[in-house]
Amino acid sequence: AQSVTQLDSQVPVFEEAPVELRCNYSSSVSVYLFWYVQYPNQGLQLLLKYLSGSTLVESINGFEAEFNKSQTSFHLRKPSVHISDTAEYFCAVSEGGNQFYFGTGTSLTVIP
Amino acid sequence: EPEVTQTPSHQVTQMGQEVILRCVPISNHLYFYWYRQILGQKVEFLVSFYNNEISEKSEIFDDQFSVERPDGSNFTLKIRSTKLEDSAMYFCASSDRWGGQAGYTFGSGTRLTVV
Repeated sequence: AQSVTQLDSQVPVFEEAPVELRCNYSSSVSVYLFWYVQYPNQGLQLLLKYLSGSTLVESINGFEAEFNKSQTSFHLRKPSVHISDTAEYFCAVSEGGNQFYFGTGTSLTVIP
Repeated sequence: EPEVTQTPSHQVTQMGQEVILRCVPISNHLYFYWYRQILGQKVEFLVSFYNNEISEKSEIFDDQFSVERPDGSNFTLKIRSTKLEDSAMYFCASSDRWGGQAGYTFGSGTRLTVV
């Protein structure tokens, strides 16, 4: 089974500063990679995903993530964060079946 | 935008009691899932459901748990005799395709507290 590690449980960052949320997974088999975001009192929302092709994927609100097969990583980045980005971020991995494997989440707090 | 609806948002129950967590998936989705997150731990897969039967389940999903689609809109998770360690956030999800490429739509969760 996959193991997904999000190394940082909490990340405080000042508004307009860059941020990187780290995600590593264990298996070297072909995988699909996802980032989900959870705003307070809401469900998990799909932020972006890597299925195949270009290793750099982007979301509509300025986040991007890069699939690095050799390092088995899928780190999430944003060059300039906003207050509204404060949320819990979850990395998830699928091996193609219906089961997703999640990390423990990273709480991003943007400080004014 | 279509969404997955879960009720109740918070449920408190006594140990040994039965609870039913309810979900209304997106109407044209065919695949349904339950996940849970114990406080401070990972979001864990419980079960997937398609064509009125379980397609996959994890080791967590033992005989204490069951799922049902009693009508065309609801998808329920029943925990027969709750234990303290069942306290968690339970997420329902649905997708229109099988497999890991789909990217589920999740509900906002039901926080179950067993006392």
